[in-house]
Amino acid sequence: DVKVTQSSRYLVKRTGEKVFLECVQDMDHENMFWYRQDPGLGLRLIYFSYDVKMKEKGDIPEGYSVSREKKERFSLILESASTNQTSMYLCASSLLAGSSSYNEQFFGPGTRLTVL
Amino acid sequence: RKEVEQDPGPFNVPEGATVAFNCTYSNSASQSFFWYRQDCRKEPKLLMSVYSSGNEDGRFTAQLNRASQYISLLIRDSKLSDSATYLCVVNNDYKLSFGAGTTVTVRA
Repeated sequence: DVKVTQSSRYLVKRTGEKVFLECVQDMDHENMFWYRQDPGLGLRLIYFSYDVKMKEKGDIPEGYSVSREKKERFSLILESASTNQTSMYLCASSLLAGSSSYNEQFFGPGTRLTVL
Repeated sequence: RKEVEQDPGPFNVPEGATVAFNCTYSNSASQSFFWYRQDCRKEPKLLMSVYSSGNEDGRFTAQLNRASQYISLLIRDSKLSDSATYLCVVNNDYKLSFGAGTTVTVRA
């Protein structure tokens, strides 16, 4: 079974703090993704990565950065947390990339981040 | 306009009933389509892919209409365990676009 784990289920931070969200997958997947999920908006892609040290912006990258130093680990960084970044953050991984191929994405349990 | 739009519901149905709902997508060049299921406070998981010819997986039937750019999901003989939010997902090149979900509640 594919397992995607995230470092925290719940996190409370203050405005202006630097926040690190960690994600680890154990199936040697090439691709990793960070989403945020908000009521009525669905999942929105923040950043993704096809390979170690590689990153691509998703639909809403502003205020976020990422790091992928090892294949199994993908970190999301909030440089200076703001209240509008309060959300559920979901990490996912998939095996392959490709414009025409489907690759099931496996999700971690999510981190509910509250910024006060 | 959102890339993927769904009726949020909720659809409240009795056990044994049939429930069906659609989603629409905006990009006519979208390549592949899926339904994911998300239980309350849980992560999304793949329910089934959607093929042009339509496909079934047990009590679940998915249809794709490329001309009208919509995807449907039908659940027959609903079970209490089918209560969840169903996410319509569209693959455009390298990334998936998710709808906000349709909530289904099956009551005893």
